[in-house]
Amino acid sequence: EIVVTQSPATLSVSPGERATLSCRASQSVSNNLAWYQQKPGQAPRLLISGASTRATGIPARFSGSGSGTEFTLTISSLQSEDFAVYYCQQYENWPPLFGQGTRLEIK
Amino acid sequence: EVQLLESGGGLVQPGRSLRVSCAASGFTFDDYAMHWVRQAPGKGLEWVSSISYNSGGMGHADSVKGRFTISRDNAKNSLYLQMNSLTAEDTALYYCAKDIGPAPSYFFDFWGQGTLVTVSS
Repeated sequence: EIVVTQSPATLSVSPGERATLSCRASQSVSNNLAWYQQKPGQAPRLLISGASTRATGIPARFSGSGSGTEFTLTISSLQSEDFAVYYCQQYENWPPLFGQGTRLEIK
Repeated sequence: EVQLLESGGGLVQPGRSLRVSCAASGFTFDDYAMHWVRQAPGKGLEWVSSISYNSGGMGHADSVKGRFTISRDNAKNSLYLQMNSLTAEDTALYYCAKDIGPAPSYFFDFWGQGTLVTVSS
C-alpha cells in the first residue's frame, strides 16, 4: 500500500499570509492525489484532484502542485474561513489512503 | 444540488450488527460509484468500502473485510453498509461519498454529513 504523510501536523499562519502544506507519498502516485478541507463539525470537501485541478467552486487562492511523491497545497492569501484541517489522499492504487491531516490555525 | 443524507447510526453492543443508509438526490445516482468513509472521534479519515454504479464491483478495506458489506438500490437512490461483528474500533462517523464516475476512481467529490456509530457495552 502507498502511505501518504503530511507535514507539518499544525501550521500557524496569520490571515492574509500564504500557507504551504506538504504531502509525501511512500512511492510514486503519479498525479493521483487529492486534497480535502474539513472544518469542525462538517464533512470533508474536495479542493483539488489530479494533484492540481481545483474542484468546482473552489477559489483560485487554493492551488495544488507536485507529482510522483512530493505534493504541495498552497493557499495564497488566507481568509478566516480557510482555517481548518486539510487532508491529502492518494488514489493511485488500492487501498486509497489519507494522510493524517494538517491543522491550519490562526497565528 | 447533490445531497447525501446518512441515517441508521446509533449505539450498538460489541458483536452486534447495524445497517446504515445513505439517501442520494440531486444527481443521477445510478451513473456513479459510491463509497463509505469513516472517521473515528478526533481522528483522520479511513476509506471503508466502495461499490460500482451497477453493483458489479465491490471492495472493502482489510479492517472490515468479511464483516461489512456494501450494497445499493438504484431504484431507491440509496446506498447501504451492513456492519456485522462490530467492535469498539468501528466506532466512528460514517460518511457516504460520491465518486466521479461509474467505476471507483477512489476519490470523492461530494460527501454527506455522516451518521455516528458507537460500539459500546
